[in-house]
Amino acid sequence: AQTVTQSQPEMSVQEAETVTLSCTYDTSENNYYLFWYKQPPSRQMILVIRQEAYKQQNATENRFSVNFQKAAKSFSLKISDSQLGDTAMYFCAFMKPLSNYQLIWGAGTKLIIKP
Amino acid sequence: NAGVMQNPRHLVRRRGQEARLRCSPMKGHSHVYWYRQLPEEGLKFMVYLQKENIIDESGMPKERFSAEFPKEGPSILRIQQVVRGDSAAYFCASSPRAGVWINEQYFGPGTRLTVT
Repeated sequence: AQTVTQSQPEMSVQEAETVTLSCTYDTSENNYYLFWYKQPPSRQMILVIRQEAYKQQNATENRFSVNFQKAAKSFSLKISDSQLGDTAMYFCAFMKPLSNYQLIWGAGTKLIIKP
Repeated sequence: NAGVMQNPRHLVRRRGQEARLRCSPMKGHSHVYWYRQLPEEGLKFMVYLQKENIIDESGMPKERFSAEFPKEGPSILRIQQVVRGDSAAYFCASSPRAGVWINEQYFGPGTRLTVT
């Protein structure tokens, strides 16, 4: 069975700093998808970034980028120039194709951006 | 284009009552997923539905819980005879027709159920 592990329950950094959130996963599959979701205090779940396992190039969305290490089964999220609005819970999630596309989630990392 | 809508946002029920949670997917989306988030935990998959069909309910408790997605109207997650352990946030997500490339799930704001 697939599992997703986020080893950092909580992190805090100063505004404008760069922060990296870690995520590791366990699977025997070769093709799959990985996601980072953000859940602010409003509790809305917002897709931040996604990565297809067959792509070697790391995904980037503005200030958000990932470091995808397939052999190490690692999928970390880097937030550059952090902003107060980045304060939220961040969840890493795994999806296996042809498995009804259900997401398997990590326990989350609480990120606090300090002014 | 309106996002995924869930109502109510907050629901309070006494032990033994029934809870009905509604989810309207994004326009054009025919796939709906329900997840449960217990306090201080990540989301857990419950059920995956397409119009008029339950595709995968492997994450749903065998008793008291049921889900439907009728041809017309929202998807409904129904919890009968609620207990305190059912208190959680319930999220609905929708996605467009499943395909190799299209696999994003768009989430609603969630319904927070409190059982007293």
